[in-house]
Amino acid sequence: AQSVTQLGSHVSVSEGALVLLRCNYSSSVPPYLFWYVQYPNQGLQLLLKYTSAATLVKGINGFEAEFKKSETSFHLTKPSAHMSDAAEYFCAVSSPLGGYNKLIFGAGTRLAVHP
Amino acid sequence: GAGVSQSPSNKVTEKGKDVELRCDPISGHTALYWYRQSLGQGLEFLIYFQGNSAPDKSGLPSDRFSAERTGGSVSTLTIQRTQQEDSAVYLCASSLDRVNTDTQYFGPGTRLTVL
Repeated sequence: AQSVTQLGSHVSVSEGALVLLRCNYSSSVPPYLFWYVQYPNQGLQLLLKYTSAATLVKGINGFEAEFKKSETSFHLTKPSAHMSDAAEYFCAVSSPLGGYNKLIFGAGTRLAVHP
Repeated sequence: GAGVSQSPSNKVTEKGKDVELRCDPISGHTALYWYRQSLGQGLEFLIYFQGNSAPDKSGLPSDRFSAERTGGSVSTLTIQRTQQEDSAVYLCASSLDRVNTDTQYFGPGTRLTVL
């Protein structure tokens, strides 16, 4: 069975500081991995996805994530936080088996950015 | 172009009543997904449609929940005899095809409150 663990339900950083949101997965086969962002009262927006190509994935808004098989991790980073990055972030996994991507989500990390 | 739309945006109902939630996917998207987002359970997969058929209904929590899709487009999620634990945000997503690397695009959700 697949699962996702996001360490830290709340993360707070200063504007301009490094953002690091942690995601670890459990899967019997190398999975596909996704990061989504949710702004208040909005749906989910894809930030980036890993689908077994390059292990370092660049996404929108300056975010990137690195797939590390040995650590079963897919942490999300951004070198310099902006106030507009305040939102909830979800890591998700899907299996390359079965032919469709039913997403299994982590519990989410709420990012706060303060001046 | 237009994104995924859902209606209503908010629904308040009394315990025991039936409700219908509607999803209009992006035009041309053959795959459609329903998820539920609640405080206690996080983001959960409910059901997946490929065209008008639903090969995976494994996430529907009980037989009070059903969904259909017509014309390979609009989908309706029906909850019969609503219970307070059904209160949640119901999110719909669509993707271009069943290929499991295709990006899922999410609608803004329907917030259901059962009194």
